[in-house]
Order: sequence, then C-alpha cells, then structure tokens
Amino acid sequence: EAGVAQSPRYKIIEKRQSVAFWCNPISGHATLYWYQQILGQGPKLLIQFQNNGVVDDSQLPKDRFSAERLKGVDSTLKIQPAKLEDSAVYLCASSPPARVGGTEAFFGQGTRLTVV
Amino acid sequence: AQTVTQSQPEMSVQEAETVTLSCTYDTSESDYYLFWYKQPPSRQMILVIRQEAYKQQNATENRFSVNFQKAAKSFSLKISDSQLGDAAMYFCAYRSISGSARQLTFGSGTQLTVLP
Repeated sequence: EAGVAQSPRYKIIEKRQSVAFWCNPISGHATLYWYQQILGQGPKLLIQFQNNGVVDDSQLPKDRFSAERLKGVDSTLKIQPAKLEDSAVYLCASSPPARVGGTEAFFGQGTRLTVV
Repeated sequence: AQTVTQSQPEMSVQEAETVTLSCTYDTSESDYYLFWYKQPPSRQMILVIRQEAYKQQNATENRFSVNFQKAAKSFSLKISDSQLGDAAMYFCAYRSISGSARQLTFGSGTQLTVLP
C-alpha cells in the first residue's frame, strides 16, 4: 500500500513570497490533516478535512494560509504572503473512515519550509 | 479542547537498558485513543503503539509497552532492551472518538538518546 505522498521535500523562499505544498493521501482515507511543526515542538493542527469538507480550521491563520481538498482526494496548502515565523515542517496525514475501524493517522515525510 | 503534556524534553538511556517516557493529558471525554509516535531525523512520523481508553489492559508491541492510568490521565511508554535505532523524538498523541472532528492532538515531544 502506498503511503502519504508530499511534495516538495524542501522549500526556501523569501518573506512575502507565496508557496504551495501538495499532499496525496492513502487511497480511501476520508480524513486528511495538515500540521505545522516548528523546530523542537510538537505538530500543531492547521486544518482537517473529512472528504472534501473542512471539519476544523480553527488554528489556520486565514489571512495568509489557505487549503483545499479537491474531489476529496489530493490537497494543497498555500501560504501567501509568507513570514519568517512560518519556517517549519508541514506534515500531511490521513486516516481511514471510522466505520472501517480507522484509529491512527498515517503521515507523509513532510515539507521543510525555510523563509528568509 | 484536549491537551497533551510531555514534561521530559530530553531523555537518555544506555543501550540494552529500559527507559520510560511520561505523558499526561486532559480531557472530559470518556472514550478516546492514545498513541505514541516516533519521529526520527527523516521526519517520518511512525506509529509505535496505540491504546483504546475503554480497554483496561495495557498495550504492548514487542519491546514497547504502555502504562495507561485512565483516572490519573497518564499514558507512559516503556522501551525495554533499548537499541540504537530507538533514538528519535517521541510524541504522545490523543485522538477523540466522538464527533465529526476526531482531532489528533500532540504533546511537545521527548528527544530520546540511546548511548552505546
């Protein structure tokens, strides 16, 4: 079974530029998460999708961050404009539907963003 | 909202010895899942062990076991016969069962060093 795919692995941009990250979850996984992990800290949830609908985006800085999940499969996370404090690893995760006993989330390898 | 606390930023253990990582959480829910994830330098978050709150029996996975104390809201991870490959950042995580969100909330992590 293929895992969660994320791209790019690394990205360096200047502040005020825009950037986009892509995630392809495991096939059949209804729930998709985007986390922000600042160096030395635990992952912080940015947004959670159930199929193509948003169920939680309470911690997403909506003035600069946006995310979408087209057709309930792939997802993109965008930052525009980027700030220095956005430097972090952005993790995508997915989990199967609860009805099939999905408990854990499966993670991609993340995208390391450096804003200079 | 649920919170997860890991009070040990760093721990070290001698190879072949046993180490215990601590985790406490706060919730008003009666049923939920708890997880320990391992994150090596590659950034890939790997599930180590899971515990369903309704199960009184502590989960075990080979050299990894947990001490789940529901009343005390404590969930510690014991690694026996530590190996060099166990060196990583370890995160305790909480997942709701009820509701549409079923959020996955992480602690701040414990960096484990294994000494040869």
